[in-house]
Amino acid sequence: IAGITQAPTSQILAAGRRMTLRCTQDMRHNAMYWYRQDLGLGLRLIHYSNTAGTTGKGEVPDGYSVSRANTDDFPLTLASAVPSQTSVYFCASSAGTKADTQYFGPGTRLTVL
Amino acid sequence: GQNIDQPTEMTATEGAIVQINCTYQTSGFNGLFWYQQHAGEAPTFLSYNVLDGLEEKGRFSSFLSRSKGYSYLLLKELQMKDSASYLCAVRPSWNTDKLIFGTGTRLQVFP
Repeated sequence: IAGITQAPTSQILAAGRRMTLRCTQDMRHNAMYWYRQDLGLGLRLIHYSNTAGTTGKGEVPDGYSVSRANTDDFPLTLASAVPSQTSVYFCASSAGTKADTQYFGPGTRLTVL
Repeated sequence: GQNIDQPTEMTATEGAIVQINCTYQTSGFNGLFWYQQHAGEAPTFLSYNVLDGLEEKGRFSSFLSRSKGYSYLLLKELQMKDSASYLCAVRPSWNTDKLIFGTGTRLQVFP
């Protein structure tokens, strides 16, 4: 693989179910990010990780959790999905040297019914 | 607060020039990015400005004025494939790569 991959590509989920969105990068980037993108609201940061073993909250963290056990993977978990979490989710990464570009994965389209 | 403003939509004709403006008010400033996003796809990096002035990259140029909190993306010799959303993003802090995004400008190019 090259770059950032996300899985699944799309998912329809019943409200109340638990869901984990996967993100893997092979660029050895230190920093990783999760965004949601909604019409008219643009990209909003959910959680981020500056380096393996650390995570932080973004602009809209409620209802989501993340972990960063290693450099490559940054899963996003919805513990109990709600319809307002219907969105397109993008994972991104950057080298993390505080002057770097973020590169985005292909996205996961999630529908919560 | 953090605020980034861009026009919601613009239209232009193939072969023409279009300028997409972005104004920002953020707690700090350590660079401004432009991304291109085609419908149903991921954002892709176009340009980066951290100092005042114009950065040119082929048909695309990006300008920054830090004193005015203003940037623009200039697209020349428009092609149909340039129909996309253009996202302006600011890195407000010097100690992380976190970005704040505007809501994006949807550009439609007509023949």
